[in-house]
Amino acid sequence: AAGVIQSPRHLIKEKRETATLKCYPIPRHDTVYWYQQGPGQDPQFLISFYEKMQSDKGSIPDRFSAQQFSDYHSELNMSSLELGDSALYFCASSFSLSPTNEQFFGPGTRLTVL
Amino acid sequence: GESVGLHLPTLSVQEGDNSIINCAYSNSASDYFIWYKQESGKGPQFIIDIRSNMDKRQGQRVTVLLNKTVKHLSLQIAATQPGDSAVYFCAGYLPANFGNEKLTFGTGTRLTIIP
Repeated sequence: AAGVIQSPRHLIKEKRETATLKCYPIPRHDTVYWYQQGPGQDPQFLISFYEKMQSDKGSIPDRFSAQQFSDYHSELNMSSLELGDSALYFCASSFSLSPTNEQFFGPGTRLTVL
Repeated sequence: GESVGLHLPTLSVQEGDNSIINCAYSNSASDYFIWYKQESGKGPQFIIDIRSNMDKRQGQRVTVLLNKTVKHLSLQIAATQPGDSAVYFCAGYLPANFGNEKLTFGTGTRLTIIP
């Protein structure tokens, strides 16, 4: 079965640079979530989109922005990168009309800021 | 807000034994809980879920118990195998409108299966 696809899988950037992470949800899923997981930490919710509209916002810095496109893929844009942004970034998708609204996670993008 | 936390950060279990991972939550309005397994370098993988109107749910080798009175849930893994070694997270949902639910993760427990 198709899973959530994230690209790139690994990304190395320098401080103050920008980065764009991409997420392709499971076909027919209408909701996308972004999570940040620091080393040895639990995933922290950043932001979510439902039918291309922002549906919820968590601890996402103002330097970050995201959007969901007409084909339901989503991009997380990160500017003025800081060392503390080094983390695993997970995207998850779900179908709003499923009984459980289970979120399926992608493999993650490992961002390293030098 | 929701706070979900685990009692122990690490757990070592002999292969073949049963393991129990515990989790406490703070918001009694939480109505849906999921246990995730995360292997090194991979995204969280769904193991089992439970709704707040249930107190027990069984899957293949896994059982989740929910005690709403003390706001506690546990994950039991029977006959553990080396492939069970991973970090296990409990996560909770708060009731919200469609498309608005977000997961609140607890601190993971690293389970190590000793051969």
